[in-house]
Amino acid sequence: EDQVTQSPEALRLQEGESSSLNCSYTVSGLRGLFWYRQDPGKGPEFLFTLYSAGEEKEKERLKATLTKKESFLHITAPKPEDSATYLCAVQAPSNTGKLIFGQGTTLQVKP
Amino acid sequence: DADVTQTPRNRITKTGKRIMLECSQTKGHDRMYWYRQDPGLGLRLIYYSFDVKDINKGEISDGYSVSRQAQAKFSLSLESAIPNQTALYFCATQTGLTDTQYFGPGTRLTVL
Repeated sequence: EDQVTQSPEALRLQEGESSSLNCSYTVSGLRGLFWYRQDPGKGPEFLFTLYSAGEEKEKERLKATLTKKESFLHITAPKPEDSATYLCAVQAPSNTGKLIFGQGTTLQVKP
Repeated sequence: DADVTQTPRNRITKTGKRIMLECSQTKGHDRMYWYRQDPGLGLRLIYYSFDVKDINKGEISDGYSVSRQAQAKFSLSLESAIPNQTALYFCATQTGLTDTQYFGPGTRLTVL
């Protein structure tokens, strides 16, 4: 069964304290792995797509990496405005477009 | 203006009532999706549509139906709402050329 597990469920950081969020997945052939950011009361906002092991993508203080079994979202020197829930999702190669989501990691960055 | 809009944004209804959630998009995307989000369960796919004449069930379609009125409009209906359908509902769109889905702002539905 295709499955996505994110850890930790919640993370509190001080401003400037770098850390990483984990997304472990089991899927029968990975078509793509996606990271989204979700603010309270809003829809998920697209961040990155990764397709193959070894691939990395960066955007401001965020860097996403991918291995054959997991992905990491590295947050460097976070600011309070980085506080949000970060969602990971995978897509199997069936071309249904279906995304399988993890339960998310809620990040709080304190000033 | 937002690319993907959902109406209503909040709705409180009673058990047994019929309710429709609407999604409109100006992105020109062919593919549209309906997901629900529950605390601790993540987002789960309800229905999806690749074009106006194409409707497919997702993993949790029981108790729901959809209508693709036009390329830009995709509606989700609850024929007889029940309390365990209380959740956040999100519409998403996707062009057939990429794998990225773009989400609307969501509808918070409460069934009493």
